[in-house]
Amino acid sequence: VQLVQSGAEVKKAGESLKISCKGSGYSFATYWIGWVRQMPGKGLEWMGIIFPGDSETRDNLSPQGQVTISADKSISTAYLQWSSLKASDTAMYYCVSPNRGYSYGFDYWGQGTLVTVSS
Amino acid sequence: DIQMTQSPSSVSASVGDRVTITCRASQGISSWLAWYQQKPGKAPKLLIYAASVLQSGVPSRFSGSGSGTDFTLTISSLQPEDFATYYCQQANSFPHTFGGGTKVEIK
Repeated sequence: VQLVQSGAEVKKAGESLKISCKGSGYSFATYWIGWVRQMPGKGLEWMGIIFPGDSETRDNLSPQGQVTISADKSISTAYLQWSSLKASDTAMYYCVSPNRGYSYGFDYWGQGTLVTVSS
Repeated sequence: DIQMTQSPSSVSASVGDRVTITCRASQGISSWLAWYQQKPGKAPKLLIYAASVLQSGVPSRFSGSGSGTDFTLTISSLQPEDFATYYCQQANSFPHTFGGGTKVEIK
């Protein structure tokens, strides 16, 4: 199992952004995949997960609609997208997959995508 | 949302020491708790899931216990590679919140 994330991004406040995570080595459509945020020098924050097979999503994103989680099972890729970035979105974002099911912890992690937003 | 409180926030220990980290949930989460280890500049690594089940490949000096609201992660004999930050995470109800972390430092 591998989760390979897109590269680091440097953006300005107000811009949009979409980062990606490509899964391989397993049946992408049949396992949940999600995102965890880590702001500089801070702890881990659970953002949300999606089931690529039917796009069922459980998330903790606010405000709703400004940040969205999606997945394209045809290319085994999950996305995290912002419509209007803020400086407070500056963080490392990890793609994660709970291969046993979402109640058993995240056993697979991507390498992280660093997003830097300047005001 | 369920709040996860870890203590201590940091601990200084020597190689060979027994180290215990606690995690308390603001409401009962049965045994739906995971523990992670994170080293600087690296992605976290799953150590334990379902409160006490050791992830494949994780050394047996790591152990987890607890249920309901109170949980512990124990490192029976601290090794040099164990100096890191440890996080708990509840997986009982969404959002699956993390604790604030415990940094294990060299004494």
